[in-house]
Amino acid sequence: AQTVTQSQPEMSVQEAETVTLSCTYDTSESDYYLFWYKQPPSRQMILVIRQEAYKQQNATENRFSVNFQKAAKSFSLKISDSQLGDAAMYFCAYFSGVYSGGGADGLTFGKGTHLIIQP
Amino acid sequence: KAGVTQTPRYLIKTRGQQVTLSCSPISGHRSVSWYQQTPGQGLQFLFEYFSETQRNKGNFPGRFSGRQFSNSRSEMNVSTLELGDSALYLCASSPSSREETQYFGPGTRLLVL
Repeated sequence: AQTVTQSQPEMSVQEAETVTLSCTYDTSESDYYLFWYKQPPSRQMILVIRQEAYKQQNATENRFSVNFQKAAKSFSLKISDSQLGDAAMYFCAYFSGVYSGGGADGLTFGKGTHLIIQP
Repeated sequence: KAGVTQTPRYLIKTRGQQVTLSCSPISGHRSVSWYQQTPGQGLQFLFEYFSETQRNKGNFPGRFSGRQFSNSRSEMNVSTLELGDSALYLCASSPSSREETQYFGPGTRLLVL
């Protein structure tokens, strides 16, 4: 079974600065997808960014970018120019690309990192 | 397009009762997955439905069940509620069963007294 580990329960950053959230995962599969989701106080899970394991290029979405190190099984999220609206729980998630014939196995989530933005 | 909707948003039940939660996926999405979020266990996969069939199930007891209708709307049922079932139940939809990107609804908060 795959596991996802987020070692930082909480992070704090000054507004307009850059912060990096860490995520490591364990899998024996070579085909998979990785995600960062954001969950603000409203509890709505919002997709931030996704990365296909077969792509060497790191994904970027505006101020959000990832550092995907496949050999190290590391998938960190960098938020540039932090804004007050970025304050939320951030979850790293894994999705298997291996089709077992039984349908999707669902996302495997880490425990989350609580990001605080200091004004 | 409208996003994933879940009803009700909040629910209070007592031990032993049963509860049904509803999820309407994004228009055109045929796969619906359910997740349970608790402070202790975090986010855990419950099951996935596609074309009215349960395709996979997480490690939850048989008290947790679901179904999907021909319009892709899904319901989740929990029978004989226990205090530990208090959680946020999240529904996510995707275009197909093997589509890796899932879009989440706002969730239903269930409190079991």
